[in-house]
Amino acid sequence: DTEVTQTPKHLVMGMTNKKSLKCEQHMGHRAMYWYKQKAKKPPELMFVYSYEKLSINESVPSRFSPECPNSSLLNLHLHALQPEDSALYLCASSRSSGQSSYNEQFFGPGTRLTVL
Amino acid sequence: DQQVKQNSPSLSVQEGRISILNCDYTNSMFDYFLWYKKYPAEGPTFLISISSIKDKNEDGRFTVFLNKSAKHLSLHIVPSQPGDSAVYFCAASASRGSTLGRLYFGRGTQLTVWP
Repeated sequence: DTEVTQTPKHLVMGMTNKKSLKCEQHMGHRAMYWYKQKAKKPPELMFVYSYEKLSINESVPSRFSPECPNSSLLNLHLHALQPEDSALYLCASSRSSGQSSYNEQFFGPGTRLTVL
Repeated sequence: DQQVKQNSPSLSVQEGRISILNCDYTNSMFDYFLWYKKYPAEGPTFLISISSIKDKNEDGRFTVFLNKSAKHLSLHIVPSQPGDSAVYFCAASASRGSTLGRLYFGRGTQLTVWP
């Protein structure tokens, strides 16, 4: 299995809703990432988990809350989002987040989030 | 501050010809470079990478060249095919220092291959 899967594919939510994005990989990778991507822009790093511990938080607002229940799963909990948070949210994984030659990150298809 | 730059937002090439996508970087700590391809509404797909100990890496129709002194890399696709039409992102990472674990992306180049 060489895939990163993400659910749901699309999500529409109101500003008062609470929802979660899910990501799964079965490649034995020990680093997992959340990115946000706006149209015609590169992916923007949000969080990095290394060996199930949060190692990088790119000063993301607290309305985004990541969780790594085990080495294969990564969640992103959403609460009280703003319309400007509408974007494609990408999950990625790599063998590790350390040695750069292992940092080939494999991306999931993304969740297209719309905040009304 | 953009540490990885792709100065051409778009490139148009005829099918069968060579496509050359360019990328420049500013951080001398970067020692691993990657190219990703992205179709609309999909996640980026890893294409090819190169370590700073090499100056060339080839995989089928795709070759990446690295010029460390110029802090420049390029992706060559030959022959180009219509299915190669996508946005190509250059990315860089460092194996040491405070940037460990991060990929720094360029803004991407939209490649269009026409028949």
